[in-house]
Amino acid sequence: EVQLLESGGGLVQPGGSLRLSCAASGFTFTNYAMSWVRQAPGKGLEWVSAISGSGGSTYYADSVEGRFTTSRDNSRNTLSLQMNSLRAEDTAVYYCARRVPTAYFDYWGQGTLVTVSS
Amino acid sequence: EIVMTQSPATLSVSPGERATLSCRASQSVSSNLAWYQQKPGQAPRLLIYGASTRATGIPARFSASGSGTEFTLTISSLQSEDFAVYYCQQYNNWPLTFGGGTKVEIK
Repeated sequence: EVQLLESGGGLVQPGGSLRLSCAASGFTFTNYAMSWVRQAPGKGLEWVSAISGSGGSTYYADSVEGRFTTSRDNSRNTLSLQMNSLRAEDTAVYYCARRVPTAYFDYWGQGTLVTVSS
Repeated sequence: EIVMTQSPATLSVSPGERATLSCRASQSVSSNLAWYQQKPGQAPRLLIYGASTRATGIPARFSASGSGTEFTLTISSLQSEDFAVYYCQQYNNWPLTFGGGTKVEIK
C-alpha cells in the first residue's frame, strides 16, 4: 500500500525557516518524481515544487523560487522541502504527492500545516 | 503560465441529480488534464486522468470529457459522499497549475 507521511510543520515567524519531510513507503521510491502542493486556509491547491526520481532535476513555482529547496534521499525513501525567508502568504497545509511520470498526482499524503506568523 | 478556470464556483445539487462541472485552460493542454476530489480535512483524491480515464476504484457515475482547452466532469447521480470540492489540473506545461475549484453542495 502506497503511503506518504508528512512531518515538520509548525508555527514560524516571518523571515524564519522550516524543513518539511515526507516519508514514502509501499512503492519503489526512485521510480517516481515527487511534488509538494500547498493549500492556504480556505483556498485552492497550488503546486509548489517537483523533483525527478533521481533527484537530478527540480522545478519550482515562481512564488517560492529562490526561497524553497526540494531534495530527496532515495536511500531513506524521504522527500524534503527546505523553506527559508518564510512569509505570511506561505501559511498553508503542505502535501507531498507522488507524480506518475510526466503526468498527474496519483497519491497524496495527509498534509502538514505551516503557519507563518509573529 | 497556463491559467485553469473552473465554473461554477459553487454548484447546488439534490442527491440523485446530475452535476456538470467545467474547466477551461488559457491555452491548449491536449488531454493532459486530471480531476481531483477533496473533502473537508482530507487530502485530494485522484478521480480522472488523461481528461477522461477514471482512476482505480472510481465509480462509473464519474465521467469526464474534453481536450485542448475545454473540459467537463459529470457526476451522473450524486450520492451523499460526492459532496465535495473538485479541482482540475493541467500537466501539459510547467508550472503545473490547478483550477480554483468547484464546490458541489447539497441543495
